[in-house]
Amino acid sequence: DQQVKQNSPSLSVQEGRISILNCDYTNSMFDYFLWYKKYPAEGPTFLISISSIKDKNEDGRFTVFLNKSAKHLSLHIVPSQPGDSAVYFCAASVRNRDDKIIFGKGTRLHILP
Amino acid sequence: EAEVAQSPRYKITEKSQAVAFWCDPISGHATLYWYRQILGQGPELLVQFQDESVVDDSQLPKDRFSAERLKGVDSTLKIQPAELGDSAMYLCASSLAPTSKNEQFFGPGTRLTVL
Repeated sequence: DQQVKQNSPSLSVQEGRISILNCDYTNSMFDYFLWYKKYPAEGPTFLISISSIKDKNEDGRFTVFLNKSAKHLSLHIVPSQPGDSAVYFCAASVRNRDDKIIFGKGTRLHILP
Repeated sequence: EAEVAQSPRYKITEKSQAVAFWCDPISGHATLYWYRQILGQGPELLVQFQDESVVDDSQLPKDRFSAERLKGVDSTLKIQPAELGDSAMYLCASSLAPTSKNEQFFGPGTRLTVL
């Protein structure tokens, strides 16, 4: 049973445009959400996170939005650059319990020239 | 820049053989994680260490998998005997402290193929 769902296996976006990656979760106890980025032959690297007490967190070109009522979060990348082509994993944890990070299956983002 | 080291990067073995993977975390990181990532899936935690102690191995198939971190620094993950379904990427990560708010730094992984 997938607690963190990334329903789009892949996404193609034109360079310079906005990339929007979506993630849904089923466990209402999740209170911390993370995005990781993974290039081929490398391990995932942390990108951005958000606590459940917030609905938006911004870091440069990357913004994460959290909609708790819909159990949905999204990662916006503006503007998209060629180096953004990678697999993006959405992840979540329950910080006041086991605090284990649960990952989604990932979305492969292709930035088109 | 400090990195998590893993070896080997690739391992091909036959089923029923034993395999071992090694991980050297970033210096000073007390928390070490082993994840398994099956193709098309996200990483799944197998075992978490705090220093030399196991704090979570609930998803580790203990009949065939074992992990140790004897001196609280580097770690070894062993599979004996390997099965076809063990083919996956095995990722090691480390962090300063055992909370999800502390960034986990991942190594490049060991890709295991069981024939």
